[in-house]
Amino acid sequence: AQTVTQSQPEMSVQEAETVTLSCTYDTSESNYYLFWYKQPPSRQMILVIRQEAYKQQNATENRFSVNFQKAAKSFSLKISDSQLGDTAMYFCAFMKYFVKGNQFYFGTGTSLTVIP
Amino acid sequence: KAGVTQTPRYLIKTRGQQVTLSCSPISGHRSVSWYQQTPGQGLQFLFEYFSETQRNKGNFPGRFSGRQFSNSRSEMNVSTLELGDSALYLCASTSLASSPNEQFFGPGTRLTVL
Repeated sequence: AQTVTQSQPEMSVQEAETVTLSCTYDTSESNYYLFWYKQPPSRQMILVIRQEAYKQQNATENRFSVNFQKAAKSFSLKISDSQLGDTAMYFCAFMKYFVKGNQFYFGTGTSLTVIP
Repeated sequence: KAGVTQTPRYLIKTRGQQVTLSCSPISGHRSVSWYQQTPGQGLQFLFEYFSETQRNKGNFPGRFSGRQFSNSRSEMNVSTLELGDSALYLCASTSLASSPNEQFFGPGTRLTVL
């Protein structure tokens, strides 16, 4: 079974600073996708960034970037120039392909607070 | 395009009752997944429906069931409610035309069981 581990339940960062959220996963699959989702206090979950396992290049979306280490099964999220609006719960997710469809596995989340 | 909608947003029930939650996916999305979110547990996958058929099911008791209609709207039912069923229930719809199959989440239904 796939498992996703986020070992940092809570983190805080000063506004404009950089913070890294960690995520590790366990799988025997070779082809899969990894995601970071953000859930602000309003609760609507939104996609932050995604990474295809077959791509060695780390994904980047504006101030968000990942450090994908496939051999180590690690997928960390770096947020640069943190803003107050980045305060949210962040979930790491793993998606594998099923013959019958795809299935997502989520970590327990990291609550990030950006301090003004 | 309208996003994923879930109704109701809040529910209070007592133990032993049953509840039905509704989810309307984004127009054109035919896959709907349900998750239970509790503090410390993250999101636990309940089940996924595609074209009115349940394709995948998580590790939840049979009290949790669902269905999908021909317009892709989905309902989730929990019978004989227990205190531990108190959670935020999230619905996500997926466009299989996109790669990877990105999930779009609704705002959730907060269920409180007293």
